[in-house]
Amino acid sequence: NAGVMQNPRHLVRRRGQEARLRCSPMKGHSHVYWYRQLPEEGLKFMVYLQKENIIDESGMPKERFSAEFPKEGPSILRIQQVVRGDSAAYFCASSPNRGSTDTQYFGPGTRLTVL
Amino acid sequence: GENVEQHPSTLSVQEGDSAVIKCTYSDSASNYFPWYKQELGKRPQLIIDIRSNVGEKKDQRIAVTLNKTAKHFSLHITETQPEDSAVYFCAASRSTGGFKTIFGAGTRLFVKA
Repeated sequence: NAGVMQNPRHLVRRRGQEARLRCSPMKGHSHVYWYRQLPEEGLKFMVYLQKENIIDESGMPKERFSAEFPKEGPSILRIQQVVRGDSAAYFCASSPNRGSTDTQYFGPGTRLTVL
Repeated sequence: GENVEQHPSTLSVQEGDSAVIKCTYSDSASNYFPWYKQELGKRPQLIIDIRSNVGEKKDQRIAVTLNKTAKHFSLHITETQPEDSAVYFCAASRSTGGFKTIFGAGTRLFVKA
């Protein structure tokens, strides 16, 4: 049973470009969470999604950031017009059941560098 | 808003000694408290968790205690080994009225051989 997969593992973008980060949850998991981690800091919640639904996006900036989890395919975190401050590691996690009180299994992360 | 404070930010112990990391949470409705270990450049991995209906849980060298009244919970690692060196994060979440998991800022543990 493969774990949570994320790609790409490393992504370099110039200011103003778009970044697309992908997350495939563990088999049988239908809940996905995205977190951002700045160097030497903790994980900051961004968004929680189920298939075709955004459940809680209160941690995600309202501009430039969007997330989706379509019926088929991976969850995608999209950052438009990236700025240097977007440079961070972005982790997704998945769980089998509803709510954040289920164990969340993390992917390896995507390290975004904005030049 | 919700907040989780974690102390200390850095902890250095001698191999074989115990290590204790403490967290305080602000949301009294929190009822699930996981602990994650993150090695450099790797993903966070769950090492132990506790729910609000118990006060203590143990798994080999790792134990977690919870004081709901004081809104404190702690991670205890006994007989530390060099491979325990990593960053440890506590977290708190609730099962109703929101789905955020709030993480502490992390504790960097160094175990000296």
